[in-house]
Amino acid sequence: AQKVTQAQTEISVVEKEDVTLDCVYETRDTTYYLFWYKQPPSGELVFLIRRNSFDEQNEISGRYSWNFQKSTSSFNFTITASQVVDSAVYFCALSEATSNTGKLIFGQGTTLQVKP
Amino acid sequence: DTEVTQTPKHLVMGMTNKKSLKCEQHMGHRAMYWYKQKAKKPPELMFVYSYEKLSINESVPSRFSPECPNSSLLNLHLHALQPEDSALYLCASSRRLAGRTDTQYFGPGTRLTVL
Repeated sequence: AQKVTQAQTEISVVEKEDVTLDCVYETRDTTYYLFWYKQPPSGELVFLIRRNSFDEQNEISGRYSWNFQKSTSSFNFTITASQVVDSAVYFCALSEATSNTGKLIFGQGTTLQVKP
Repeated sequence: DTEVTQTPKHLVMGMTNKKSLKCEQHMGHRAMYWYKQKAKKPPELMFVYSYEKLSINESVPSRFSPECPNSSLLNLHLHALQPEDSALYLCASSRRLAGRTDTQYFGPGTRLTVL
């Protein structure tokens, strides 16, 4: 069965601290895709990254970085030098290639609060 | 340009009202989605349209009626809703039916309150 677990419900940090958001997934498919989305208070889900199951290279984009490890079924997201504007709910999601449904399996989300 | 627009931003309706939510994208995407999101929960898939045809209905009550008039537009018609239907309704689109390679891009949502 497919499942995404974001064990951290809420995280609070002070500006300029580094923070890592954890994501653990379960799937029987060999081909799948993992995503991170950011949802600020305004409500829009903002796409951050997509990673397919055959690409285990870590990625860095500015202050954001992602660590994909198939051995532990994890796809963690790190924000370096956090800023107040990073405050949002962050969702990790899984899409299985064989499902043919287009369905995203979301984790429960992690609420990040960055205090000035 | 990865913009999906939704109107209205906010909607308040009574249980006997009929209203519609509108979603539009001009990215040439051929798959469009409706999600429902309750507070402090992840989005839940409601409907998927692929090439203007309904491909998935996640057992959504018939008081929600989707419509895809063309490849750029997606509507959600609402009738006889219940207070528990109050939620954020999100529209998304992707290049083709996702679950394979394509990223879903979301609109800003419509905050619906049913009185």
